[in-house]
Amino acid sequence: ILNVEQSPQSLHVQEGDSTNFTCSFPSSNFYALHWYRWETAKSPEALFVMTLNGDEKKKGRISATLNTKEGYSYLYIKGSQPEDSATYLCAFIVQGAQKLVFGQGTRLTINP
Amino acid sequence: NAGVTQTPKFQVLKTGQSMTLQCAQDMNHNSMYWYRQDPGMGLRLIYYSASEGTTDKGEVPNGYNVSRLNKREFSLRLESAAPSQTSVYFCASSEAIGSYSNQPQHFGDGTRLSIL
Repeated sequence: ILNVEQSPQSLHVQEGDSTNFTCSFPSSNFYALHWYRWETAKSPEALFVMTLNGDEKKKGRISATLNTKEGYSYLYIKGSQPEDSATYLCAFIVQGAQKLVFGQGTRLTINP
Repeated sequence: NAGVTQTPKFQVLKTGQSMTLQCAQDMNHNSMYWYRQDPGMGLRLIYYSASEGTTDKGEVPNGYNVSRLNKREFSLRLESAAPSQTSVYFCASSEAIGSYSNQPQHFGDGTRLSIL
């Protein structure tokens, strides 16, 4: 059974602070790693799709890195703002598969 | 841009009733998915359709059936609803996942289903 672990499960950060959290996944037969942002009462929205070891992607104040050899990805948020409050999901897919495996998410709350 | 449209948004059923959740996408995507979201469980895949004409079981398929009616539409049916199926259901689509594409999934707004 393929498993994706995200840590921490929840996180409270002061507005203006930077933060990061982790997604761990099996490193064998890796194909791609996805990050989604999921705001309360909305649907998940894609942030990044990463495929190459050492990949680094950035969207505004949010960035992500990927290490496929050791099976982890970090998501960083610089200068947190209240609108960053959301659950951040990662999901991965192995070679030849046709479906994602999602982690349980990291719930981020930004305190003003 | 409609994207992925789910109907209904809310539904209350009695145990034993049946219903079909509808999902349609207008992005010409090949793959479509049904997930359920429960507290502390993240997103769990119920069924998926990698392409028109194919459907496969996901992680939690028991109690559900699906139909890929055409490339646009993928419905989820509860034949005899049970309280354990109380959940928020999300439909998603993607151009393709796996060997042919690195595209993300696009999600509908969800259907909140309560089984009494």
